[in-house]
Amino acid sequence: GENVEQHPSTLSVQEGDSAVIKCTYSDSASNYFPWYKQELGKGPQLIIDIRSNVGEKKDQRIAVTLNKTAKHFSLHITETQPEDSAVYFCAASKPKAAGNKLTFGGGTRVLVKP
Amino acid sequence: DTGVSQNPRHKITKRGQNVTFRCDPISEHNRLYWYRQTLGQGPEFLTYFQNEAQLEKSRLLSDRFSAERPKGSFSTLEIQRTEQGDSAMYLCASSLVSDRINTGELFFGEGSRLTVL
Repeated sequence: GENVEQHPSTLSVQEGDSAVIKCTYSDSASNYFPWYKQELGKGPQLIIDIRSNVGEKKDQRIAVTLNKTAKHFSLHITETQPEDSAVYFCAASKPKAAGNKLTFGGGTRVLVKP
Repeated sequence: DTGVSQNPRHKITKRGQNVTFRCDPISEHNRLYWYRQTLGQGPEFLTYFQNEAQLEKSRLLSDRFSAERPKGSFSTLEIQRTEQGDSAMYLCASSLVSDRINTGELFFGEGSRLTVL
């Protein structure tokens, strides 16, 4: 089955600095790579996603890059703010026929220090 | 805006007791997923339904676990003879998938936290 590795497990940044989280996946059939943000006591919430036919996607202060050959993808948060403090999960899934099941990485706890 | 609703939010039980969690998905969503999340880990897939049909179960779902979605709307996850290792957050998610629509996005509820003493 799919295996998703995520690094680092914790990340502390100064407000205004950038944060980068990296993930690798094992199954070349995976074609959808979302990133979820989970705040304390809440369920994960999608913040950005990318499909395998795209190399980069940006939405305001967040961007995701994908390298299909190397099977890794990254989340970039620029101009970090205290409200960006949360746990971030990367995930991978295969096409609809495989159920759209998400396989999650282990998570990165991001702390933005004011 | 009615998102995915889960009840109860927190359940404390003694080892050996049975517990049941309920998930109400977003109303037009035909797929429903159950995940388990232990402290400091990412969510792990347990099972999913398309309408009322349970299409896949993970090996994590032992025979003490059973999930149903009898009318293709809400779902229940029952754990029989609970063990301390069952302590976790049980997350429900839903999505809409059709021939024309398949964003892949899963919408998660806030979870039901189980503590087995």
